[in-house]
Amino acid sequence: KNEVEQSPQNLTAQEGEFITINCSYSVGISALHWLQQHPGGGIVSLFMLSSGKKKHGRLIATINIQEKHSSLHITASHPRDSAVYICAVRRETSGSRLTFGEGTQLTVNP
Amino acid sequence: DTGVSQNPRHKITKRGQNVTFRCDPISEHNRLYWYRQTLGQGPEFLTYFQNEAQLEKSRLLSDRFSAERPKGSFSTLEIQRTEQGDSAMYLCASSPSRLRADTQYFGPGTRLTVL
Repeated sequence: KNEVEQSPQNLTAQEGEFITINCSYSVGISALHWLQQHPGGGIVSLFMLSSGKKKHGRLIATINIQEKHSSLHITASHPRDSAVYICAVRRETSGSRLTFGEGTQLTVNP
Repeated sequence: DTGVSQNPRHKITKRGQNVTFRCDPISEHNRLYWYRQTLGQGPEFLTYFQNEAQLEKSRLLSDRFSAERPKGSFSTLEIQRTEQGDSAMYLCASSPSRLRADTQYFGPGTRLTVL
């Protein structure tokens, strides 16, 4: 079983829909990251969370430390949001390395 | 542009050849990380440096892999005697501080294809 699991693996939405991507992890963490990867490989860090909730534009990330669960929400989705969204955790005992989920492929159709 | 840069962006090689990749982190970033990503999977940690010191290595980093960061600035990742299973995207990232909870800034990656 992977230490970091994401659902769904693939998600197709219509423009304007509200989107939720989930991440569950099984280890103690010091921080959780949400990353965005576009075709071609480039990865951009969206959020880093250790508790509560963060918002940036149409993106919202939440984390529940007790339940070992985080969600990434996209409001008013747009075709340019189409990308792979990756959850990654920094384990309490692993120094600086990140452990990644397998990613969620999001496609937003016009 | 002062982001993380990686060279080359693409490398095609024949099995058994040696390859070397370079990563230039954001200036003054103390930490530098190497990850590997295969198609359809999330990245996997390979190794990381704090300045010039290599502090952690994954078991994925076999004897054929070596990484250096000689002056605490750019880093190189060398793969000797490449195998088809080495085909992947090799990602470099850097982070600015000594804090454990810091944002990592990723480069565009080097895509390796071993024929």
